[in-house]
Amino acid sequence: QKEVEQDPGPLSVPEGAIVSLNCTYSNSAFQYFMWYRQYSRKGPELLMYTYSSGNKEDGRFTAQVDKSSKYISLFIRDSQPSDSATYLCAMIRGSTLGRLYFGRGTQLTVWP
Amino acid sequence: EAGVTQFPSHSVIEKGQTVTLRCDPISGHDNLYWYRRVMGKEIKFLLHFVKESKQDESGMPNNRFLAERTGGTYSTLKVQPAELEDSGVYFCASSQVALPGGKTDTQYFGPGTRLTVL
Repeated sequence: QKEVEQDPGPLSVPEGAIVSLNCTYSNSAFQYFMWYRQYSRKGPELLMYTYSSGNKEDGRFTAQVDKSSKYISLFIRDSQPSDSATYLCAMIRGSTLGRLYFGRGTQLTVWP
Repeated sequence: EAGVTQFPSHSVIEKGQTVTLRCDPISGHDNLYWYRRVMGKEIKFLLHFVKESKQDESGMPNNRFLAERTGGTYSTLKVQPAELEDSGVYFCASSQVALPGGKTDTQYFGPGTRLTVL
């Protein structure tokens, strides 16, 4: 069983739609949760970073963590064509400084 | 401020050859990480440098891979001899500090080196 599961999609939505992306994980040692965005031929870029369970909002993006269910989500409101990218969830265990555990990434296309 | 740079952007080599990948982290970043993404799989951790010391190399697949970071600045990752399964995209990331208590600073990724072994 993979430590981090993420549906690779692809996911295709019209401009303005609400997008929901999610990951599940199996190891309760994960304490820090991130969402990265990766455009084609580029490196991953950090979007959101959360520590505890709950919601964190940044503009059109909301990250949600439910540690009891081992489930994290990223919501994108009013999606734009420029949001078209691969979205990767990543996690860090409390005991391993800096080592990221990634999901496979979900490929998102927002069409105008 | 320049971001993380990697060289080359793409390398095509034959099985059995040697390839060396280079990563230049953001200036002043003590932490440097190597990751790899094999086609269809998730990005996987290879190793972590703190300055010139290897903090964690548990993700290195085998002894055909050698990473160095002399002087604590740029890093190289050598694959010798290369095998078909080494094909993938190799990412380098750097962060400023690794904080106590398990907290970590943002990792900034380079664009990756796409390695193809024929």
